[in-house]
Amino acid sequence: EAGVAQSPRYKIIEKRQSVAFWCNPISGHATLYWYQQILGQGPKLLIQFQNNGVVDDSQLPKDRFSAERLKGVDSTLKIQPAKLEDSAVYLCASSLDLARAGGAETQYFGPGTRLLVL
Amino acid sequence: QKEVEQNSGPLSVPEGAIASLNCTYSDRGSQSFFWYRQYSGKSPELIMFIYSNGDKEDGRFTAQLNKASQYVSLLIRDSQPSDSATYLCAAMGTGKLIFGQGTTLQVKP
Repeated sequence: EAGVAQSPRYKIIEKRQSVAFWCNPISGHATLYWYQQILGQGPKLLIQFQNNGVVDDSQLPKDRFSAERLKGVDSTLKIQPAKLEDSAVYLCASSLDLARAGGAETQYFGPGTRLLVL
Repeated sequence: QKEVEQNSGPLSVPEGAIASLNCTYSDRGSQSFFWYRQYSGKSPELIMFIYSNGDKEDGRFTAQLNKASQYVSLLIRDSQPSDSATYLCAAMGTGKLIFGQGTTLQVKP
């Protein structure tokens, strides 16, 4: 079974530029997550989709970050304009379904996109 | 603010020893708990999850959950140098996974 795919793997941009990340979840997984992981910290949830609907985007800086999952499969996360503090690894994860007991909510992570903002 | 707390370490153990990693959480509504391993420069990979009080064993790994104390732990028996990594504890509550900062484990040959 193929895992979560992400691209690009690395990106270096100047501050105030824009950048976009792409994610393809595990086949059949309804729930997709975008996390930001700053060096030395655990991942922080930015946005969660169930199929093509947003479940939680409470920690997404909406003045500069946007995300979409138009057909309920692939997703794109965009930053415009980027700031220095956006330098981090952006992780995409997917799970079969939303949280419920028994492990269906187990999340599987992609390789991440390492973003450096100069 | 719902939090998951871990000691960042590093925790250093000799090869063959038992490594004990601990985690506390603040949200009493959390239902499931996950341990992920993250090698330097890599993404987190799931080790195991637990949602019932008590112990759950999987090979060399044992997860322990005590909901009354809001405490989760991971024991790694017969630690190997390849176990050297950062271990992330995460709590699932209201559909959101909250991660701790991770504990760095060093297993010395």
